[in-house]
Amino acid sequence: GEDVEQSLFLSVREGDSSVINCTYTDSSSTYLYWYKQEPGAGLQLLTYIFSNMDMKQDQRLTVLLNKKDKHLSLRIADTQTGDSAIYFCAESRNGGFKTIFGAGTRLFVKA
Amino acid sequence: DTAVSQTPKYLVTQMGNDKSIKCEQNLGHDTMYWYKQDSKKFLKIMFSYNNKELIINETVPNRFSPKSPDKAHLNLHINSLELGDSAVYFCASSQVFLRTGPNHLAKNIQYFGAGTRLSVL
Repeated sequence: GEDVEQSLFLSVREGDSSVINCTYTDSSSTYLYWYKQEPGAGLQLLTYIFSNMDMKQDQRLTVLLNKKDKHLSLRIADTQTGDSAIYFCAESRNGGFKTIFGAGTRLFVKA
Repeated sequence: DTAVSQTPKYLVTQMGNDKSIKCEQNLGHDTMYWYKQDSKKFLKIMFSYNNKELIINETVPNRFSPKSPDKAHLNLHINSLELGDSAVYFCASSQVFLRTGPNHLAKNIQYFGAGTRLSVL
C-alpha cells in the first residue's frame, strides 16, 4: 500500500504469540487501525488506536504505537487456527475520509 | 441482517461488456466507498461519497462511474470491461467523526461488504 508498509507473511504455531508489524509515513494520522480479512469475506475492524496512546489492549489483542518511529504493531496472544487470515494496517487521512491500507500480512497458524 | 450488502457476489463477463455492481447499507452511515482488491490482495480506494456527494475520486479510468441515489446506496457501473478489471470489488460504509480546531481528529471505522468477484474473460 502507498506509504503504509507491512511484511507479507507470518507463520506461527498454535498457542504461540503472533506479532504483526506496520510502518506508516503520515505523521498527521490521528487514528490507526487493524482490520482482519478471512477467505472470501470483506475486511472487518479488529481494533484501532488513537495517536496520543502508546498501547491498547483488548482481550488477546495488544496494539503498540511508536509515534516517533511511525511504527504500529499488533500482538495476538495464544494464537489459534481461527486467527489465520490477512491482517491489514490502515491510517486515516484527508480529514478522515480517506483510509490508506497496507498490503496485508498473511498469518498462517500451524496446529 | 447484513449491514453492508453488495450484489452480485460473482460476476463473469466478456471483455467489452458493461456491468453494474450494487451496494446498500442499513447502518445509517453518511459515507460510502468502493475499493478494488487485486489478486495480491492489495486494497485501493476508488471512490467515496458523503451524503450523496463525491468526495474522493482516485485515479480511476472514466469507464468506472459511481452513482449514489441516496445515502444508503452506492452503485458502480463499469463500461467496456477490460481484462485488467478482473478483481474483487468491495463496498464499505462509515460514519466519520470529525472535530474541527487546531488538531483535526477523525475516526473512520469502515464496515465492508462481502465483495463482488469480477472475472473478465
